[in-house]
Formats: sequence, C-alpha cells, structure tokens
Amino acid sequence: AQSVTQLDSQVPVFEEAPVELRCNYSSSVSVYLFWYVQYPNQGLQLLLKYLSGSTLVESINGFEAEFNKSQTSFHLRKPSVHISDTAEYFCAVSPAGNMLTFGGGTRLMVKP
Amino acid sequence: DTGVSQDPRHKITKRGQNVTFRCDPISEHNRLYWYRQTLGQGPEFLTYFQNEAQLEKSRLLSDRFSAERPKGSFSTLEIQRTEQGDSAMYLCASSLGGVITEAFFGQGTRLTVV
Repeated sequence: AQSVTQLDSQVPVFEEAPVELRCNYSSSVSVYLFWYVQYPNQGLQLLLKYLSGSTLVESINGFEAEFNKSQTSFHLRKPSVHISDTAEYFCAVSPAGNMLTFGGGTRLMVKP
Repeated sequence: DTGVSQDPRHKITKRGQNVTFRCDPISEHNRLYWYRQTLGQGPEFLTYFQNEAQLEKSRLLSDRFSAERPKGSFSTLEIQRTEQGDSAMYLCASSLGGVITEAFFGQGTRLTVV
C-alpha cells in the first residue's frame, strides 16, 4: 500500500516570491510520482511526473520537482510565482501508473 | 474531442435514494477510473476499467457502490440507498493503455445527500 503526505494544507505567498510545496510518500514498492493541479472550477490536470532517469523534472510553466529516494520526497518548487498559479496542488504516487494515491492537497494562494 | 465529460455536474438527493452518474471518456482511451473526493481531501481511488473489464473494484467503499462500462466506452457509477456520508465530488478519469500514461480528469459530479 502507498500513502502520500502533503505537509502544508495552505501556502500563502506574495507574487514573484519563490515557493515550495512539500510532498512525502510511503510505499513498500517502487512508485511513479506525479503532481496534479486543480484551478478553480476546473478538473485535475497533470503538472509533471517522475518516471525514471533524472531526478529533477520540470513543467512547461516553470514548476520543477525533485525526486529524493532516500527521503521519500517529491517537493514542488517554483522560483517566482504568479497570481495565475493560485490553485490546489496534489501530489500522487502509483506503482504501475494506473491507480493513483493522492495526498490531501496544498492550496497555493498567491497575493499581489 | 472535448475531454472527459461527466453528467450531471451536480446532484442533490434524499437519503435512501439511488443515484447514477455517467462518465464519457476521451474517445480513444481504453482505461477509465473513478475517484471520490471529499472536502479538504485528495481524490480517493474507487475502481477502474480496461475496456469493459473492471480490473480493480476492491476499493469501492461498500456494496452499495457499483460501476459498469458495458461497451468499453462510457461508464456509470451507481450508489444505492445513499447516506449523508456519500456526499462528495465523484471524479472520472481516462487514459490510454500502456505502462505509464497520463490520466485526464473530468470536472466531477458533486453529490449532496440531504
């Protein structure tokens, strides 16, 4: 079985400041790791994923996440946030890429 | 294709009634998933299909929950004898087959049991 912990339920940050959303997971088997984003009144969208290879993965809108196997973490970072990044972010794991186990989510609130 | 479509978007029902939700996946996707999301929590996996075969249903919350995908296209999720604790957002997602493919989510059906 797998479990995912997102340590912060809400993260307020000013525009253009850096941000880190934390994600730790537990699993008895190797897993693939994902970050999904949910903008207000929209469905979940895949932001980025780690399958294998380089432990640092990037999204097209400036987010990056680093897989740390020893710390079982997959924290999401962005060096400079925009108002449009305001959303709920979910970390998820899957042993086979089909059934996802999600964390409780982190609400990122970007203030002007 | 407009993505994963769920109907209805909102459903209010009285306790004890049966409800059925529909999900239309992206047309070429052969995998279909159902999740439940309660307020302040992440989505919780319920069941999934590969074409018309239901490959995992042990996570369905009780025997009041059932899902079908009779022709390998759209799917329905039924909840019988609804309870107030069933109030939640029910999410559907679809993906291509294969080892690792992106799941595309619908906007969900919000169920309120009164």
